[in-house]
Amino acid sequence: EDKVVQSPLSLVVHEGDTVTLNCSYEVTNFRSLLWYKQEKKAPTFLFMLTSSGIEKKSGRLSSILDKKELFSILNITATQTGDSAVYLCAVDGWDYGQNFVFGPGTRLSVLP
Amino acid sequence: ETGVTQTPRHLVMGMTNKKSLKCEQHLGHNAMYWYKQSAKKPLELMFVYNFKEQTENNSVPSRFSPECPNSSHLFLHLHTLQPEDSALYLCASSQSVGLEYEQYFGPGTRLTVT
Repeated sequence: EDKVVQSPLSLVVHEGDTVTLNCSYEVTNFRSLLWYKQEKKAPTFLFMLTSSGIEKKSGRLSSILDKKELFSILNITATQTGDSAVYLCAVDGWDYGQNFVFGPGTRLSVLP
Repeated sequence: ETGVTQTPRHLVMGMTNKKSLKCEQHLGHNAMYWYKQSAKKPLELMFVYNFKEQTENNSVPSRFSPECPNSSHLFLHLHTLQPEDSALYLCASSQSVGLEYEQYFGPGTRLTVT
C-alpha cells in the first residue's frame, strides 16, 4: 500500500531557529514529491522534486529528494512566526491510475 | 485568492439531507479535484476530472457523487451522509492532471453531519 510518513508530527521552535522536516514514502511508480504549506485551510505549493540530489531553494526554504532512500527533507532557516503552519508532503505515483498520497503533515509552531 | 472558489464555506446537514458543494475555477485549468481532510487524517484524494471526464475515483462511497459539467465547475453531491463524513472538503485545479502541474486549492467547505 502506498504511504507517506512525515516526522516529526509536531514541532515548536523559537524565532531564528533552523528546522528540518522529514518525509519518507513508499509509492508505486514514483513520479514526483511535493511540499505544501497549509496555514488556515487551503494548502499552498512550495516545491516539486523529481530528481534525486538536486536542491530546490526559495528564500529561507530549501528541499532535497533522495530517491534511493525514498525520503525528502524540507529545511527552514532563520524561522519566523509567519512560518507557523502545517507542512504537507505529497507523492505522485502511478498504480493502474493516478495516485496522489499525502502525508499527515508536520505542525510547526514558531514562538517569538 | 487562488482563483478557485468554493461554496458554501460552512455546511451543517442531517444524515437524511441532500446537499451539494460547488467549486469554480477562473484559471483556465483542465483538471479539477475533490479532496477530503479530516481532523486526524492526511489529505485524501477523492475524485479527479480531466477535461470534464472523471479519471479517478479513489474508492469513495456512493453517497458522494461528483459532477463536472465543464472544465470550470465541479460539484460534489451529498446524500445520506454519516457523521464520520464531517470534514473539510477541498477543491483544487491544475493545468492538467498530475502533481507536476501545480494545484491551486480553494478555501474549502467545512462540513458537519449531525
